[in-house]
Amino acid sequence: DTGVSQNPRHKITKRGQNVTFRCDPISEHNRLYWYRQTLGQGPEFLTYFQNEAQLEKSRLLSDRFSAERPKGSFSTLEIQRTEQGDSAMYLCASSLSGLAREQYFGPGTRLTVT
Amino acid sequence: KQEVTQIPAALSVPEGENLVLNCSFTDSAIYNLQWFRQDPGKGLTSLLLIQSSQREQTSGRLNASLDKSSGRSTLYIAASQPGDSATYLCAVEASWEGGSEKLVFGKGTKLTVNP
Repeated sequence: DTGVSQNPRHKITKRGQNVTFRCDPISEHNRLYWYRQTLGQGPEFLTYFQNEAQLEKSRLLSDRFSAERPKGSFSTLEIQRTEQGDSAMYLCASSLSGLAREQYFGPGTRLTVT
Repeated sequence: KQEVTQIPAALSVPEGENLVLNCSFTDSAIYNLQWFRQDPGKGLTSLLLIQSSQREQTSGRLNASLDKSSGRSTLYIAASQPGDSATYLCAVEASWEGGSEKLVFGKGTKLTVNP
């Protein structure tokens, strides 16, 4: 078990460009979460999946954001027409369902929009 | 709306000292509470998870307690070491029916342990 992985680790893009991030959860975990963290703040929830179903989306997730989890395995988070305010660390976490559903986080993708 | 507060925001201690980090939350209807560690520019490492029915959890030099009725948790670190220097984050998951399984985080306590 190699843990949660995220790619790329760093992304620098110009305002207006589209970016896509990938998250590979721990293999047996059926739940996958996306969070966003800005400097000096705790992570904020964006969305989560149980298997391939997207069960909740935060109001933070504007129409420019879309997330998918085809086949209930890896997930992608796409941001269209990036804005400078999108600059943040994007964190992915996974867990099992059940009583002790501890969330395990990946290393994050640092996005810088110039 | 659930809000999580961590006090202090920053803490600096000499090596070997025992210390306590505090976390409070406004809605006591939680399913569980997790403590995380975050090194600069890195992801989060889960330290301890306390289910709502539990009072405390221990892992090595770490002990976390939960008082759900008062909306408080503490993380106790014994015999602190320079390698413990990091930001410690507290997060709660809601338990009410229809509630999301998302974690709501505090802003963290930045700990510096001086050699």
